[in-house]
Amino acid sequence: QKEVEQNSGPLSVPEGAIASLNCTYSDRVSQSFFWYRQYSGKSPELIMSIYSNGDKEDGRFTAQLNKASQYVSLLIRDSQPSDSATYLCAVNGAGGTSYGKLTFGQGTILTVHP
Amino acid sequence: EPEVTQTPSHQVTQMGQEVILRCVPISNHLYFYWYRQILGQKVEFLVSFYNNEISEKSEIFDDQFSVERPDGSNFTLKIRSTKLEDSAMYFCASSQQGTSTDTQYFGPGTRLTVL
Repeated sequence: QKEVEQNSGPLSVPEGAIASLNCTYSDRVSQSFFWYRQYSGKSPELIMSIYSNGDKEDGRFTAQLNKASQYVSLLIRDSQPSDSATYLCAVNGAGGTSYGKLTFGQGTILTVHP
Repeated sequence: EPEVTQTPSHQVTQMGQEVILRCVPISNHLYFYWYRQILGQKVEFLVSFYNNEISEKSEIFDDQFSVERPDGSNFTLKIRSTKLEDSAMYFCASSQQGTSTDTQYFGPGTRLTVL
């Protein structure tokens, strides 16, 4: 079973729409969850972090965490063409003692078309 | 804004050669990491480093790999005898506290091509 799983996409949404990205993780003791954005050929750039169940909003981005379902999501409101990138879900604290080790999903490719 | 820097941006080497990838973490950060990303694949953890010691390493980080903090600013990854399958983007990251909630900031990466 994959540790962190994402739909690889591609996910295509029109400009101005809401993009919904999903991630599941296998290790119940995982502590914290991160969404990174990665443009082609570039390094991961942090968008959001979330540690507690519920929603966390930052501008156009909302992260949602449900530890019981082992599920984390990212909503992007008013999607812009500049949001087109690969979105990486990363989990920290998997294995109970692996603090600092980020485990990444394979990423979801998002395309926002004008 | 402080950032992690990496050199070189692209390294081409022959199979069997040694390479050293260099990173300068953010100045007040104490925890350092190397990750790699083979083209088209996910980002994979290699090693974490704190207080001049390896904290954790993955199965990928075998005896061919080593890390070092040779001075107060640089953090290096050495691959002793490169293989074709070592071709990848190598990302250095750093964080302030090394806790599970701490943000890791990534450098721009070094693209390693092994011929």
